[in-house]
Amino acid sequence: DTAVSQTPKYLVTQMGNDKSIKCEQNLGHDTMYWYKQDSKKFLKIMFSYNNKELIINETVPNRFSPKSPDKAHLNLHINSLELGDSAVYFCASSQAGVQGNYGYTFGSGTRLTVV
Amino acid sequence: QKEVEQDPGPLSVPEGAIVSLNCTYSNSAFQYFMWYRQYSRKGPELLMYTYSSGNKEDGRFTAQVDKSSKYISLFIRDSQPSDSATYLCAMGGSSNTGKLIFGQGTTLQVKP
Repeated sequence: DTAVSQTPKYLVTQMGNDKSIKCEQNLGHDTMYWYKQDSKKFLKIMFSYNNKELIINETVPNRFSPKSPDKAHLNLHINSLELGDSAVYFCASSQAGVQGNYGYTFGSGTRLTVV
Repeated sequence: QKEVEQDPGPLSVPEGAIVSLNCTYSNSAFQYFMWYRQYSRKGPELLMYTYSSGNKEDGRFTAQVDKSSKYISLFIRDSQPSDSATYLCAMGGSSNTGKLIFGQGTTLQVKP
C-alpha cells in the first residue's frame, strides 16, 4: 500500500517531445511537491500545491507545468524536452503549515533521460 | 553561497565505527531540521526530525542542532553495512509554505 506513488519509474524520450509524470498520495496530506534531483544528488524544489492551490513556483522554465486535480494528485507536464531536463523527479507530500509536521514522504522517483 | 552546505564525501568507514555527518546553513529563520536517508535508486526517507535547537536520539541515531552556530549534525553509532546510503540534511520553517531546503547529501559507505 504505497503512500506516495509516481508513474512512470523510468522515462526515456527524445528531445523536443512532451511528457507527463503522475503522482498520487494516500496519506491525506494537504501539500504536495515536485523536486528535481540532479546527477550530484542535489534536490531542488520546483513546485508545491496546497489543497489544489499553487503556493510555490520556483524559477523553472515555463515548459514545466504542474497540475493538481485534487489534493491527492499532482502531475507534472513537460513540453519540448531538452537534454538538460534529464534528472530524477521526486514527488513528495506533507502536512506543511501544521506545527511540527514538515517531514516529507517521498515517492520513489521518475528517472527521466532525454536523448 | 548556498543556503545549506553539506560535504558530499564520499565517506568510508569500517563496520562498528561512529559516523558524524554535518551541515551548515546561513538562514537564521530555519526552525525545522531533518535528516533524510536515500538508498541508491530510491526516494529519500525521513530519518530524524528536530524542531529548534537541541538533541534527539532514536536508536543508533542522534541528531543535534546548534542554532547559534547554524550547524546541525547526525551521529550514527555502531554503523552497519545497511547504513550505506546518501544522507541529506534538510531545513524549513522560514516560510509557511512547507518548503524544505536540502543539502547536497553525503554518501556513506560502511565496509564489513
